[in-house]
Amino acid sequence: QKEVEQNSGPLSVPEGAIASLNCTYSDRGSQSFFWYRQYSGKSPELIMSIYSNGDKEDGRFTAQLNKASQYVSLLIRDSQPSDSATYLCAVRESSASKIIFGSGTRLSIRP
Amino acid sequence: DVKVTQSSRYLVKRTGEKVFLECVQDMDHENMFWYRQDPGLGLRLIYFSYDVKMKEKGDIPEGYSVSREKKERFSLILESASTNQTSMYLCASAPGLAGGLGETQYFGPGTRLLVL
Repeated sequence: QKEVEQNSGPLSVPEGAIASLNCTYSDRGSQSFFWYRQYSGKSPELIMSIYSNGDKEDGRFTAQLNKASQYVSLLIRDSQPSDSATYLCAVRESSASKIIFGSGTRLSIRP
Repeated sequence: DVKVTQSSRYLVKRTGEKVFLECVQDMDHENMFWYRQDPGLGLRLIYFSYDVKMKEKGDIPEGYSVSREKKERFSLILESASTNQTSMYLCASAPGLAGGLGETQYFGPGTRLLVL
């Protein structure tokens, strides 16, 4: 069974600081990686996707991928209280069309 | 905007009942998915469909079946509800890509099911 691992948290970060969320995956052949944000009581929404090694920036969000280490991360700069949510890492399997989700990291931004 | 709707936000059923959860998307997406989400276990794929009348088992299909008679509608059926099927059920849809599933999944609001 292919796995996607995340620290469940909660991760508490002061407002204005950088929040760093990490994810490891077991399928070495995976090519597509995603970060979803899920507010309490709501459904997940895609915030970033990344396909090649290195960094991808979108506003305050930066996704980082290291396929050799099977590691993907999400950095949130200038953290805001509205960033408080659970962040789900998702990886598309190399051998199939399924996307495997991690169990999520709960992020709390304290004022 | 992509819209995925689910028939109920909250549902309470008795053990042994047959339960239908409906999902409708309005973006002409080929691919549709049913997940359940439980604390500490994340999202687990129950079934998915890449075309009308086509279905594929996900990771936890036992106790469930699905139906996709029309492109926009994907139904999840609990044949005989049990207490261990109490969960949040999330439907998602994604556009198709040649040779594979679409990358971006759009989720519905979820149905919180309680089986007594």
